[in-house]
Amino acid sequence: QVQLVQSGSDLKKPGASVKVSCKASGYNFTTYALNWVRQAPGQGLEWMGWISTHTGNPRYAQGFTGRFVVSLDTSVSTTYLQINNLRPEDTAVYYCVVTTDVSVYWGQGTLITVSS
Amino acid sequence: SSEMTQPPSVSVSPGQTARITCSGDALSKQYVYWYQQKPGQAPVSVIYEDTKRPSGIPERFSGSSSGTTVTLTISGVQAEDEADYYCQSPDRSGTWVFGGGTKLTVL
Repeated sequence: QVQLVQSGSDLKKPGASVKVSCKASGYNFTTYALNWVRQAPGQGLEWMGWISTHTGNPRYAQGFTGRFVVSLDTSVSTTYLQINNLRPEDTAVYYCVVTTDVSVYWGQGTLITVSS
Repeated sequence: SSEMTQPPSVSVSPGQTARITCSGDALSKQYVYWYQQKPGQAPVSVIYEDTKRPSGIPERFSGSSSGTTVTLTISGVQAEDEADYYCQSPDRSGTWVFGGGTKLTVL
């Protein structure tokens, strides 16, 4: 079955960087794009962007350009979200998401806490 | 980008029917997806492509659309259905748009 397994939670200081991984299994990795979604504490879901697993080209939502970098390594069926120059307001759970022909699958989420 | 509007909350008694709406100009042209999220858990897909139910999702969950409003219907609501529900749709440029979420309370 389709699974997206993300890296574990992390605590970072403001100004640092973090890289979240999302390893896919159970389907042909290059068939579907992978998306990233943010959920701040007590808030709703916010789409950050996606990456084509066919071309490797990312596309970012408004508000997620500059400090946010999405990449992938097809050899290990993994996509990455890197956030640079972290700010306290980046504290959130980050999800990777894939839409297939039969459902939409979410990773378990990765909590990134930014605090001095 | 397009916006999608959901009621902040819906309350029903067990066994009743819950209807959660999602309104937006783009909804008449794009597929809609619905997600259920329980506290501390990742969202789970309950409806995709407007009306389709993923494997393992109970038949009491259904989706429908009419013009620029789509509806998630939960027939015979059970206590375990209490959760936040989000609609989502891509807009014309491919950007995903989420509704603000609806908290379903089972009285």
